[in-house]
Amino acid sequence: QKEVEQNSGPLSVPEGAIASLNCTYSDRGSQSFFWYRQYSGKSPELIMSIYSNGDKEDGRFTAQLNKASQYVSLLIRDSQPSDSATYLCAVNVRNYGQNFVFGPGTRLSVLP
Amino acid sequence: NAGVMQNPRHLVRRRGQEARLRCSPMKGHSHVYWYRQLPEEGLKFMVYLQKENIIDESGMPKERFSAEFPKEGPSILRIQQVVRGDSAAYFCASSPPQGNEKLFFGSGTQLSVL
Repeated sequence: QKEVEQNSGPLSVPEGAIASLNCTYSDRGSQSFFWYRQYSGKSPELIMSIYSNGDKEDGRFTAQLNKASQYVSLLIRDSQPSDSATYLCAVNVRNYGQNFVFGPGTRLSVLP
Repeated sequence: NAGVMQNPRHLVRRRGQEARLRCSPMKGHSHVYWYRQLPEEGLKFMVYLQKENIIDESGMPKERFSAEFPKEGPSILRIQQVVRGDSAAYFCASSPPQGNEKLFFGSGTQLSVL
């Protein structure tokens, strides 16, 4: 069974701090990894994608992937109250057919 | 450049009625996915379709649920004889043909079964 796991939180950080969100996955054949942000009552919004080991930076966001450890993380630098949302980790568990499996999400609260 | 369009935004049904949820993918996208989300829970995959084909329906309940993506028109998720446990947010997402794996989501349909 293909699984994606995340700490459900809530994760609380003060404004300006670094928020670290973690995700593990079970399928070693997974090739593509994504982070989505979902505000309460809204639809998920893609914020990062990563395909190879290492770090990928985009503005205040950094995604980190370690395929050997089956681990992907998202760092948010200089956290803002507007970053308060649920962050969903998604893994594409097939090379074709694009079966995206989502984790349960981590709720992040950035305190002013 | 319209995004993924879902309608209705809110749908109220009584137990035993039918619910039809519609999804029009982004222009140029040929892959459609349906997900269900219960409050405080993650997205649960239901079905993946391309035009006139169901590619993966491993997440669909065996009974009462069906999906289609006809050659013309939107994708339809149909729930027959709804029960209270069907109350949830149903999200549709689309992606382009091979080469770009990113999913783009519609605003969702909130189904409430009375």
